[in-house]
Amino acid sequence: SQKIEQNSEALNIQEGKTATLTCNYTNYSPAYLQWYRQDPGRGPVFLLLIRENEKEKRKERLKVTFDTTLKQSLFHITASQPADSATYLCALVTGSARQLTFGSGTQLTVLP
Amino acid sequence: DTAVSQTPKYLVTQMGNDKSIKCEQNLGHDTMYWYKQDSKKFLKIMFSYNNKELIINETVPNRFSPKSPDKAHLNLHINSLELGDSAVYFCASSRETQYFGPGTRLLVL
Repeated sequence: SQKIEQNSEALNIQEGKTATLTCNYTNYSPAYLQWYRQDPGRGPVFLLLIRENEKEKRKERLKVTFDTTLKQSLFHITASQPADSATYLCALVTGSARQLTFGSGTQLTVLP
Repeated sequence: DTAVSQTPKYLVTQMGNDKSIKCEQNLGHDTMYWYKQDSKKFLKIMFSYNNKELIINETVPNRFSPKSPDKAHLNLHINSLELGDSAVYFCASSRETQYFGPGTRLLVL
């Protein structure tokens, strides 16, 4: 069966450290993968997109990697800040309709 | 300048009622979506429309019916509401990445 798993429901790290979130999938062949941030009471907000032929993408303190052999994406936040605390969702894009299928999310808390 | 807006933000209603949630986007996107986010925060697609045409229709009860009067609007009508319909419903639109609305918190009593 098809599954998207994000490493843990909750992750606590100290301010200034690098947060690493994992997204693993099985029985999908995604065209690309996206990461979103969701704050309480709000809709998800797009952060980064990485295509199947790309290994790594960066945007400011954010970095995403995509390994289609391992069927895994890693999402890194360097020099983390309390303002980075949120739920982070990975989403696979599949099919001609470019359907998004979301993982269950990881709730990140950056402790001051 | 709200990109994707939904109304109402909160909806509390009795079981068996019929209700509608409205969604509008001003981004000029051709594709719009409805998602349901349950109490465990799992976000699942329900419907997708492209240029007013239904292109994704996941396994959703017939009581849920989307309607797209034009490319900028995608409304969701729910008949005979049940307790299990309580959730947050998000509308989204996209060209490549998706822009989500603020959500409608539905509570069925």
